[in-house]
Amino acid sequence: GDSVTQMEGPVTLSEEAFLTINCTYTATGYPSLFWYVQYPGEGLQLLLKATKADDKGSNKGFEATYRKETTSFHLEKGSVQVSDSAVYFCALRSAGNMLTFGGGTRLMVKP
Amino acid sequence: EAQVTQNPRYLITVTGKKLTVTCSQNMNHEYMSWYRQDPGLGLRQIYYSMNVEVTDKGDVPEGYKVSRKEKRNFPLILESPSPNQTSLYFCASSPRMGGYEQYFGPGTRLTVT
Repeated sequence: GDSVTQMEGPVTLSEEAFLTINCTYTATGYPSLFWYVQYPGEGLQLLLKATKADDKGSNKGFEATYRKETTSFHLEKGSVQVSDSAVYFCALRSAGNMLTFGGGTRLMVKP
Repeated sequence: EAQVTQNPRYLITVTGKKLTVTCSQNMNHEYMSWYRQDPGLGLRQIYYSMNVEVTDKGDVPEGYKVSRKEKRNFPLILESPSPNQTSLYFCASSPRMGGYEQYFGPGTRLTVT
């Protein structure tokens, strides 16, 4: 079946540091890929998405590129802020329309 | 305001006492689903519904029931809750099947003692 693997956290960075959160997936066919963010005490919000190979999703300074050859969708940001502290989930949606999530990666940004 | 609402937000109950968590969306979405979130496991889908009167099992349906009698509502029913159903539950909706964004509710934290 489909699966998503994320790097385990927590990831602790200083403000303005470069962020990478790795995500790899296993799926049949050509899934759509997503990054969701969950701020403390809230539900998940879509951060960005990519629906086909080589697409780059971007939002709020975050980027991720759909790499079919490496089955990856790594999340990056050039300069993190304290307000970026949250849990980040990588997810895929395959033909069956079910969303499959990774385990989540907690990011903590220190001033 | 477009939103997904869930009630209650917090619930502590005892083993075997039937409960219902309600979910409602005001966006006229066809697709709705329920997830549970557990540490290290991410979100796992419990049930989903593609439209009124159409529901199907997700990855972890055991011990849960759902119904979809109206487009806007998708309640989650635990007929006989057990401690292993202690979790954080999220309802979500999207316009229809496919690569659409899912909109999540604020979550319901359930504790079963």
